[in-house]
Amino acid sequence: DADVTQTPRNRITKTGKRIMLECSQTKGHDRMYWYRQDPGLGLRLIYYSFDVKDINKGEISDGYSVSRQAQAKFSLSLESAIPNQTALYFCATSGSPEGADTQYFGPGTRLTVL
Amino acid sequence: GQQVMQIPQYQHVQEGEDFTTYCNSSTTLSNIQWYKQRPGGHPVFLIQLVKSGEVKKQKRLTFQFGEAKKNSSLHITATQTTDVGTYFCAGPGASGTYKYIFGTGTRLKVLA
Repeated sequence: DADVTQTPRNRITKTGKRIMLECSQTKGHDRMYWYRQDPGLGLRLIYYSFDVKDINKGEISDGYSVSRQAQAKFSLSLESAIPNQTALYFCATSGSPEGADTQYFGPGTRLTVL
Repeated sequence: GQQVMQIPQYQHVQEGEDFTTYCNSSTTLSNIQWYKQRPGGHPVFLIQLVKSGEVKKQKRLTFQFGEAKKNSSLHITATQTTDVGTYFCAGPGASGTYKYIFGTGTRLKVLA
């Protein structure tokens, strides 16, 4: 099921570099989310967007920015990467017709900042 | 801020044993969702509970929403190796619907 895709799947970068993670979806959903996953901390919300003109900060937005280029595309940027941003990043979508609250996750991007 | 905690963090069981994970919210929830993440995979939606005291079953999985709508549990009967993974609960954030706060997750390992 490739309804939600993320690129790249893996990325190793150095401290101070600018990184962009991309998410695309073919589900036609209005709502898109970016999470990061760290061992023992679960999934924490970074940013979310309920439509193209709506961007909201989540629990841990510091050090991150996002762009909603179209209904189907939501990008996450790390302007100046630091080692504690090493994590697994997931994009998710939700919306009709499947069920307004159900979230569909992409395969994830494993980011390592050296 | 709103918190959603899960216990235990890890659980190892012998195949055939039962397993339960508990989810507790610091605030009353309008609904609660459960997701499963297989090792190396992404979270996949399992179910949503809405009513106080609601119990739903999916084969060997039983989900329960507490009477006060602040806690929930997932019980697996007679675990199988295919049950391995991390189970997350998630509840709507205090600011409204569609923004969910995920629990810390319970990682289940099933020993054959």
